[in-house]
Amino acid sequence: DAMVIQNPRYQVTQFGKPVTLSCSQTLNHNVMYWYQQKSSQAPKLLFHYYDKDFNNEADTPDNFQSRRPNTSFCFLDIRSPGLGDAAMYLCATSGRKETQYFGPGTRLLVL
Amino acid sequence: GENVEQHPSTLSVQEGDSAVIKCTYSDSASNYFPWYKQELGKRPQLIIDIRSNVGEKKDQRIAVTLNKTAKHFSLHITETQPEDSAVYFCAGRIDNDMRFGAGTRLTVKP
Repeated sequence: DAMVIQNPRYQVTQFGKPVTLSCSQTLNHNVMYWYQQKSSQAPKLLFHYYDKDFNNEADTPDNFQSRRPNTSFCFLDIRSPGLGDAAMYLCATSGRKETQYFGPGTRLLVL
Repeated sequence: GENVEQHPSTLSVQEGDSAVIKCTYSDSASNYFPWYKQELGKRPQLIIDIRSNVGEKKDQRIAVTLNKTAKHFSLHITETQPEDSAVYFCAGRIDNDMRFGAGTRLTVKP
């Protein structure tokens, strides 16, 4: 059964056109993460939520925003995608135990 | 913040041999160290993890060791098989902050 779901799996957008990626979870976990992963590189943490508390990484560009309207859902908004933002975006969750559960990822292509 | 370094970046072994991947971390407050396996185009999958109150953990052909004093931890895969070929990431966690190593591309040659 899917526990961390990401939609869409593939997203094509145009340079500068806002895009929203979606993540949902059925685990009722407190913490939700967004990572950016480029080819052959490690996942890079963009930000995370602990419940409603938002924690932004210092080097995450302002172009990236996030929303968590409830426990189950978290969104990644890219306000003006550039060519350098093409990547796999991974959502993950963790609960009382530290184990992270990753979603399948959304591959973003910027034209 | 935490910094996790991982070595080697690539590793090639013959089927049946052992593979060892090493990571170091900078912040002694890190208390949880997972290892992930990522196949091409797929999500990272947790294969084993260790907490800071444990020195070693084993699960069949996979083991992880942790040296808190030296701030390093290692992944050991014995009797490697071609399906073990993938990119492996270590990570270290403080509170809710998880940091990944740069990854090791393991190739197991039949």
